[in-house]
Amino acid sequence: GAVVSQHPSWVICKSGTSVKIECRSLDFQATTMFWYRQFPKQSLMLMATSNEGSKATYEQGVEKDKFLINHASLTLSTLTVTSAHPEDSSFYICSASRDRNYEQYFGPGTRLTVT
Amino acid sequence: GQQVMQIPQYQHVQEGEDFTTYCNSSTTLSNIQWYKQRPGGHPVFLIQLVKSGEVKKQKRLTFQFGEAKKNSSLHITATQTTDVGTYFCVEDSNYQLIWGAGTKLIIKP
Repeated sequence: GAVVSQHPSWVICKSGTSVKIECRSLDFQATTMFWYRQFPKQSLMLMATSNEGSKATYEQGVEKDKFLINHASLTLSTLTVTSAHPEDSSFYICSASRDRNYEQYFGPGTRLTVT
Repeated sequence: GQQVMQIPQYQHVQEGEDFTTYCNSSTTLSNIQWYKQRPGGHPVFLIQLVKSGEVKKQKRLTFQFGEAKKNSSLHITATQTTDVGTYFCVEDSNYQLIWGAGTKLIIKP
């Protein structure tokens, strides 16, 4: 149990377009979902924390208008990278938790390449 | 801001040798979680420690949480090639996650 999926697994898009990444908890209800970004050989960087039905909490330095997060249900959160640029190319990872204080289950990640 | 310092950054071992990674914080940790990330993969949750002085084992892996809850360690006995990867400690504190930089376990050929 406790499986988290992400879709797509990888995506290539042109500069200036928007990309939506989905994160789903497949067999449990996730009240909290986290979005991370990871650069090669670096630790994951928390971008934002989203709770179902409320606005996401963004980490310092993360642009809210660029990285739109929606957590409309207990099993789905989406991250939309708006007006993507090559510097947005990265590995985006989500995780889901039954409750804020429970362990997280990570999704497999989405590799975004902006050309 | 809050930081979790994790050392070493890399550790090269011969297969069969032991491996240890350490995490330290200047503040009391509410809990500590450990993750393993295989090369090219995503971080996988290993365990969460909450209690002061807690010790938990998973086969060849031993996790410890310091008495003062300011440090934690992960020890692997008799490493195997399947242990290769980066091990991260993470503090889940005050509605934010604070990640260690990770320790990469490398098995010498």
